[in-house]
Amino acid sequence: EIVLTQSPGTLSLSPGERATLSCRASQSVTSSYLAWYQQKPGQAPRLLIYGASARATGIPDRFSGSGSGTDFTLTISRLESEDFAVYYCQQYGGSLTWTFGQGTKVEIK
Amino acid sequence: QVQLVQSGAEVKKPGASVKVSCKASGYGFTSYGISWVRQAPGQGLEWMGWISPYNGNTKYAENLQGRVTMTTATSTSTVYMELRSLRYDDTAVYFCARAVIPVATKPAFDIWGQGTMVTVSS
Repeated sequence: EIVLTQSPGTLSLSPGERATLSCRASQSVTSSYLAWYQQKPGQAPRLLIYGASARATGIPDRFSGSGSGTDFTLTISRLESEDFAVYYCQQYGGSLTWTFGQGTKVEIK
Repeated sequence: QVQLVQSGAEVKKPGASVKVSCKASGYGFTSYGISWVRQAPGQGLEWMGWISPYNGNTKYAENLQGRVTMTTATSTSTVYMELRSLRYDDTAVYFCARAVIPVATKPAFDIWGQGTMVTVSS
C-alpha cells in the first residue's frame, strides 16, 4: 500500500502570502491518480485538484497542483481569508482503493 | 442540483450496528460509484470502501473487512453503509462521496455528502 506523507504539518502564513504544500508518496504514483482536497471545520472536504494539476469546477486559479512520481505540490499563490483550512492529498491505488495523506493545516500567522 | 444527502446522527452502544444512508440526486445514479470516508474527532480522512450502483460491486478497506457492508437501492438512488460490532474508536463523522465510473478516468471524489456523526458510547 502506498503511504502519502504531507509536509509541513502546519503552515503559518499571512493573507496575501504564497503557500506551498508537499505530498510525498512511498512509491511512484500515476499523476492522473493524485488529488487534493480542502476541508474547513465542520464541513465535508471539497475537491480542489485532480489528475495532479487539473482544477475542479469552480476552483479559483490561485490554486495550482504540480508534480509527478513520488513528489507532488499544491500551491496557493496568494492566500485569501477563506483559504485557511486543512488540505489533504489523496491517491488512487488501483483496484478500487484510495488512500489519503494525514493533512496540512494552513493557519493565519 | 447535484447532491448527496446523508441520514442523521446516531448514538450506538459498543457491539451494536449502525446503518447510514446517502441519497443521491441531480445526476445519473448508476454513472458514479460511491465511496465512504470517515474522520475521527480531530483526525484525518480514512477511506472505508467503494460500491458501484451500476453493478453492485464492492471493495472494502482491509482493516474493515468483515465488519462493513455497502449496498445500494437503485429505485431510490440511495447507498447504505452498515458497520457492525461497533467499538469506541469507530466514533467518527462518516461521509459518502462520488467518483465517476469507470474510476480510472477520474478517480477523485467530486461531490460529498454533509457527513453523519456516529458516536459509540456506553
